[in-house]
Amino acid sequence: ELKVEQNPLFLSMQEGKNYTIYCNYSTTSDRLYWYRQDPGKSLESLFVLLSNGAVKQEGRLMASLDTKARLSTLHITAAVHDLSATYFCAVDRGQAGTALIFGKGTTLSVSS
Amino acid sequence: EPEVTQTPSHQVTQMGQEVILRCVPISNHLYFYWYRQILGQKVEFLVSFYNNEISEKSEIFDDQFSVERPDGSNFTLKIRSTKLEDSAMYFCATTIARSDPGTFGSGTRLTVV
Repeated sequence: ELKVEQNPLFLSMQEGKNYTIYCNYSTTSDRLYWYRQDPGKSLESLFVLLSNGAVKQEGRLMASLDTKARLSTLHITAAVHDLSATYFCAVDRGQAGTALIFGKGTTLSVSS
Repeated sequence: EPEVTQTPSHQVTQMGQEVILRCVPISNHLYFYWYRQILGQKVEFLVSFYNNEISEKSEIFDDQFSVERPDGSNFTLKIRSTKLEDSAMYFCATTIARSDPGTFGSGTRLTVV
């Protein structure tokens, strides 16, 4: 069974600090995705990581993928309040199909 | 920017009643999905639909659930006899290709009382 585990599940940060969210998955998968969800809202795609060693950056967020370790990280640099949200990683089911299996999410709260 | 439209945004129904949730995919997208998210929990896959048939389904998607694309535009999820535990936010997502992260609709909040 494909499992996706994120940690931490809750993260309280001060503005200006750096932190990393970790996403481990249990089976070989071609693709890893990061999404952001604001309270009561839908999911917004942040990054798609398609190969080992892939690194993507957008603003203060940077995501990377290590398929050998089955690990992706989402690094937050110099956090600001606007980054407060829940972040989900997801992997597809590989040969089993295109549907996504999501982690439990990391709820990030950034305060001044 | 193209959007995935879901209706209704919120539905309250009595236990045992049938509900139909509707989704209008982005016009050139080929893969359609339903996910659900119980309040405060993770997003769970229900079913995927491609080329007018179900391509994958999860254990959650039992005989009480069905999907169809009745008129070539709407993509619907029907729950035949709702249970209290079906209360959740239901998201429709559509993609143009396998590696596409997909566009999620704004969701339908289903409350079963």
